[in-house]
Amino acid sequence: GQQLNQSPQSMFIQEGEDVSMNCTSSSIFNTWLWYKQDPGEGPVLLIALYKAGELTSNGRLTAQFGITRKDSFLNISASIPSDVGIYFCAGPPGANSKLTFGKGITLSVRP
Amino acid sequence: NAGVTQTPKFQVLKTGQSMTLQCAQDMNHEYMSWYRQDPGMGLRLIHYSVGAGITDQGEVPNGYNVSRSTTEDFPLRLLSAAPSQTSVYFCASSQNTEAFFGQGTRLTVV
Repeated sequence: GQQLNQSPQSMFIQEGEDVSMNCTSSSIFNTWLWYKQDPGEGPVLLIALYKAGELTSNGRLTAQFGITRKDSFLNISASIPSDVGIYFCAGPPGANSKLTFGKGITLSVRP
Repeated sequence: NAGVTQTPKFQVLKTGQSMTLQCAQDMNHEYMSWYRQDPGMGLRLIHYSVGAGITDQGEVPNGYNVSRSTTEDFPLRLLSAAPSQTSVYFCASSQNTEAFFGQGTRLTVV
């Protein structure tokens, strides 16, 4: 199946720092989604991107749909302890709604 | 605003037992799906449905059955539980692309 690559598996940052994550694919995606999963909860949608080059913000979060349509980036500015969690990228390869997920990046924020 | 509701939240099964994980959504979404989440593996699609009466296999369907008799409900059945099915299971629903997830069922098979 289609693969979405996220690395590294874990990131450790200091409170107040900015952090950037990316997601890449060998195939073109028409939509990119970024989810966050808090411990013990289901993933929650943070940002959805529908157009190549699109840059969208949600509070301290900013995500971009890469021009090549094979990558996307999520930036978190001025991190706080509640940013801790697993961040997944996802997208539907092709026209159907079947989502493919990356393996996720676990973010830890040191106070 | 219930969204996607999964029951139970936790379950322990003995090897060979069967059980059904329940999933219900109140958003009138056509598309529903089941994922399992294992450490380092991300979310892997088990089965999905594009509407009532229609189901299809995902990436890891073996050992699981689904049915979709109504738009609202999409139960996942484990026919004969195995330790390899120890995992956290998530149900999701969507109308277009953006999926909404339940809170998960943590299943342990001993």
